Amino acid sequence: DTEVTQTPKHLVMGMTNKKSLKCEQHMGHRAMYWYKQKAKKPPELMFVYSYEKLSINESVPSRFSPECPNSSLLNLHLHALQPEDSALYLCASSHSPPPDNEQFFGPGTRLTVL
Amino acid sequence: GEDVEQSLFLSVREGDSSVINCTYTDSSSTYLYWYKQEPGAGLQLLTYIFSNMDMKQDQRLTVLLNKKDKHLSLRIADTQTGDSAIYFCAESMRTGGFKTIFGAGTRLFVKA
Repeated sequence: DTEVTQTPKHLVMGMTNKKSLKCEQHMGHRAMYWYKQKAKKPPELMFVYSYEKLSINESVPSRFSPECPNSSLLNLHLHALQPEDSALYLCASSHSPPPDNEQFFGPGTRLTVL
Repeated sequence: GEDVEQSLFLSVREGDSSVINCTYTDSSSTYLYWYKQEPGAGLQLLTYIFSNMDMKQDQRLTVLLNKKDKHLSLRIADTQTGDSAIYFCAESMRTGGFKTIFGAGTRLFVKA
């Protein structure tokens, strides 16, 4: 298994909803990442988990809450989002934590906040 | 600084070579990467180069690194229509913990 999977593929939610994005990899990678990508823009790093511990939080608003329940899973819990949070949310993993940043990306979850 | 700059568009004919250029500003970069993103998809790592190398070749792809000028290029030989995508240059740098900074991406159009 050499891929990163993300669910759901698409998500539409209201500003009062609570939802979660899920990411899974079975490559034995020990670092996992969340990125946010707006249309026609590069991915922006949100969080990095190394060995299941949060190692980088790029000053992301608290309405985004990451969770790494084990070495294969990464969740992003969403609550009270704003329309400007609509974007493609990409998960990635790498064999080792940074600086070895050869990252494998999932296909993304396209999030729309109404 | 954390800037990674790329030209936004490149158009080539099928069969020609494509050269996508990138400049970066941080001399502490350790790895430099090229990612490909097709519409509606995630990013696919194409190749990477360690900062103490100046060239790397992998089948149709050639990466050149000029560390003095902080210039990175990706050459795609015999470009095919399936190569049409956005290509992101990225650097892994030490800044309060290592992270990857992406350029804005170069959209490659391949004309048949």
